[in-house]
Amino acid sequence: TQLLEQSPQFLSIQEGENLTVYCNSSSVFSSLQWYRQEPGEGPVLLVTVVTGGEVKKLKRLTFQFGDARKDSSLHITAAQTGDTGLYLCAGADGKLIFGTGTRLQVFP
Amino acid sequence: GAVVSQHPSRVICKSGTSVKIECRSLDFQATTMFWYRQFPKQSLMLMATSNEGSKATYEQGVEKDKFLINHASLTLSTLTVTSAHPEDSSFYICSARGKTSGSYNEQFFGPGTRLTVL
Repeated sequence: TQLLEQSPQFLSIQEGENLTVYCNSSSVFSSLQWYRQEPGEGPVLLVTVVTGGEVKKLKRLTFQFGDARKDSSLHITAAQTGDTGLYLCAGADGKLIFGTGTRLQVFP
Repeated sequence: GAVVSQHPSRVICKSGTSVKIECRSLDFQATTMFWYRQFPKQSLMLMATSNEGSKATYEQGVEKDKFLINHASLTLSTLTVTSAHPEDSSFYICSARGKTSGSYNEQFFGPGTRLTVL
């Protein structure tokens, strides 16, 4: 069974702080995606990374795919209250396998 | 992007009854649909994968006789929770992947259905 472990599980920070969320697996994936989910809603795709070592930026969010395509990280610079939510990584291998999730709370 | 809808958004039922949840792709043909279950404060767990016109493939530990999946057309898949019990209460989310999806076989997610079994 493929497992994607995310760390930390919970993160509570103040506006303006930086943070990094990690997504680790023992399996290799053809691509990896990051989602954000608000309570009571479906997940929304943030980014897809495909190539080992790839770095993608989405405004204040920076995503990196590990060289071996087994792990990934999400870095948020100067967090805002609007960044609050559940962040999920998902490995693609014919189907999407979701990570354990990181719940982020940003306080004003 | 492509839009996926689910109906109903919330449903409350009595223990022992069956509940049907619909998942529709509104502006594309979904060759494959996926059903996920999410318990409070947890991640999404894949329940089953269905291809149009074929029987669904269930993940290990998911009872196929309890969670009936039908994918009769390229725009509609249904999940029926039979003889529901309180432990089936959860957030059910579908996603769809189609021929016109992005380069990486992107899946488009529905808004979810909150099932509460009393």
